[in-house]
Amino acid sequence: AQRVTQPEKLLSVFKGAPVELKCNYSYSGSPELFWYVQYSRQRLQLLLRHISRESIKGFTADLNKGETSFHLKKPFAQEEDSAMYYCALSAGNMLTFGGGTRLMVKP
Amino acid sequence: NAGVTQTPKFQVLKTGQSMTLQCAQDMNHNSMYWYRQDPGMGLRLIYYSASEGTTDKGEVPNGYNVSRLNKREFSLRLESAAPSQTSVYFCASSEFRYTEAFFGQGTRLTVV
Repeated sequence: AQRVTQPEKLLSVFKGAPVELKCNYSYSGSPELFWYVQYSRQRLQLLLRHISRESIKGFTADLNKGETSFHLKKPFAQEEDSAMYYCALSAGNMLTFGGGTRLMVKP
Repeated sequence: NAGVTQTPKFQVLKTGQSMTLQCAQDMNHNSMYWYRQDPGMGLRLIYYSASEGTTDKGEVPNGYNVSRLNKREFSLRLESAAPSQTSVYFCASSEFRYTEAFFGQGTRLTVV
């Protein structure tokens, strides 16, 4: 069975501080991992996927198969980054989400 | 470009009542999903459909049924609503497992 764990329900940082949202997964095969974001009053939307190895809105995430992690990082947080972030794992035909982390960026 | 459309947006039910949540996508996606979102528990998969004519249980299927009516539409039915089913329900669709999933705007359901 696949599982995604986001250990922090809430992460509060000041503007300009570095941010790291943690994600750990369990899956016996080769996973496809994603980060989704939900801004206030907006739909859940894709932020980035590990297969693309891209940086979106200054965020990056590296898949660490040894530690089974896919942490989301940004060197300098902005107030507009405040949102709910979900880590997700796609395996087989299932798309499984973690419990989510609410990021609050204070001015 | 509508994407994924869910109806209704809000619903209040009495315990024991039944209802169907509708979902339609116009992106010709093969896979469709139903999730529920509860505080502190994130998004939990109820049912999914990998292709037209197939459906499979997710993490929390009890109390729900689904129908993949055609490639566009995937409905979720509550036969006898319970207060524990109070939640926000999201429908989503995707082309393949590697690609982006698109979400509907959600249905806020309250069972009293």
